[in-house]
Amino acid sequence: GAGVSQSPSNKVTEKGKDVELRCDPISGHTALYWYRQSLGQGLEFLIYFQGNSAPDKSGLPSDRFSAERTGGSVSTLTIQRTQQEDSAVYLCASRRQQGTNEKLFFGSGTQLSVL
Amino acid sequence: DAKTTQPPSMDCAEGRAANLPCNHSTISGNEYVYWYRQIHSQGPQYIIHGLKNNETNEMASLIITEDRKSSTLILPHATLRDTAVYYCIVSPASNFGNEKLTFGTGTRLTIIP
Repeated sequence: GAGVSQSPSNKVTEKGKDVELRCDPISGHTALYWYRQSLGQGLEFLIYFQGNSAPDKSGLPSDRFSAERTGGSVSTLTIQRTQQEDSAVYLCASRRQQGTNEKLFFGSGTQLSVL
Repeated sequence: DAKTTQPPSMDCAEGRAANLPCNHSTISGNEYVYWYRQIHSQGPQYIIHGLKNNETNEMASLIITEDRKSSTLILPHATLRDTAVYYCIVSPASNFGNEKLTFGTGTRLTIIP
């Protein structure tokens, strides 16, 4: 696709339910990132995938959060037993290759609301 | 990652140059300075980046001090559509280092008509 695509754009769920958020990166981009942005706050790093390397999970806030990237392309962020503090915009970004000269392209995010 | 410091908010008159400062006093020799902006309800958008030389593209100019401890993003003729949160971040250059880009809270720039 032309850009990073995230779905759904909005998700409302009840406390305790599991949710899955999807990210389709730009074709050919080997690096994929997930960030979380709470209302009025900056971006909080969650997890980073690069090719076939083990992901950097250092930003995941608890073991309720997990992510996978299948076939080096689509990624799914799963939040189990959601809590109200999980409410935020979840942003996905990709870039063409490892290395800092390549800029990040962000999706428009998924607005998650936990009631 | 080196940390950055930005003013929380700034105003600029429409048509004037907007100069957004960023301090990164602990930056390492191989770390780049990146600028992104986030318009309301959208994901961040890349603006420009540089290592030590000044850079210019169709969106903005980036001025990096000689000691690399600070930089300024310049929007030469600000328009209302430039109202956004602007993030200054630094990232290591090594392909084998920490690849995550750490975003702070940025500067909320408001363009005044």
